[in-house]
Amino acid sequence: QSALTQPASVSGSPGQSVTISCTGSSSDVGTFDLVSWYQQHPGKAPRPMIYEVNKRPSAVSYRFSGSKSGNTASLTISGLQAEDEADYYCCSYVSGGTYVFGTGTKVIVL
Amino acid sequence: EVQLLESGGGWVQPGGSLRLSCVASEVTFKYHAMSWVRQAPGKGLEWVSGISGSDPGTYYAASIEGRFTISRDKDKNTLYLQLNSLRVEDTAIYYCAKDRGGKVDTGMLDSWGQGTLVTVSS
Repeated sequence: QSALTQPASVSGSPGQSVTISCTGSSSDVGTFDLVSWYQQHPGKAPRPMIYEVNKRPSAVSYRFSGSKSGNTASLTISGLQAEDEADYYCCSYVSGGTYVFGTGTKVIVL
Repeated sequence: EVQLLESGGGWVQPGGSLRLSCVASEVTFKYHAMSWVRQAPGKGLEWVSGISGSDPGTYYAASIEGRFTISRDKDKNTLYLQLNSLRVEDTAIYYCAKDRGGKVDTGMLDSWGQGTLVTVSS
């Protein structure tokens, strides 16, 4: 199972919106609405931000939203803030009880 | 609040073995699946293995090629990962993570430990 494809980096100024894409295949993202997103700051454990494509855990800011179209899922961060600078990973369920992560995207706040 | 604490990492020579442990507090294993996820230095996350909560189902990434074994002790609330035939490319931080549901099929790992570092080198 190959890793899902994400852009290496995206950037934006404070207050702007950025969108991170996550491209998989009909074996994972395209078939299952079981895509999650994780934020990881340097030296820290990943933190879940989105699950089931577009649901937010209660502690996550409304500025984070998810969507999916075909084999591509997306994470949008609106009203970009300095503390949003981090690495972001998508993850999808794959049939047979396995998961696959994306390649990761570094969000840079200019 | 769920707490996951990994241990057992360290330095090992290629071909060697290690057993990682993850003690979980405020987690009832029979209700939640658990996974191991690793991250090589400066690299991305890689799902390694998962185990169901209510049934004995175990699952592995193809890249593991039968070298690792996941298990759990419900009485001790502890998750394990036995690493055998270790390779240099297995060097990574190994995280244990709790699944949102009872099986490895929700796509959501909602609690993570801080990880334990495994270094494979001669």
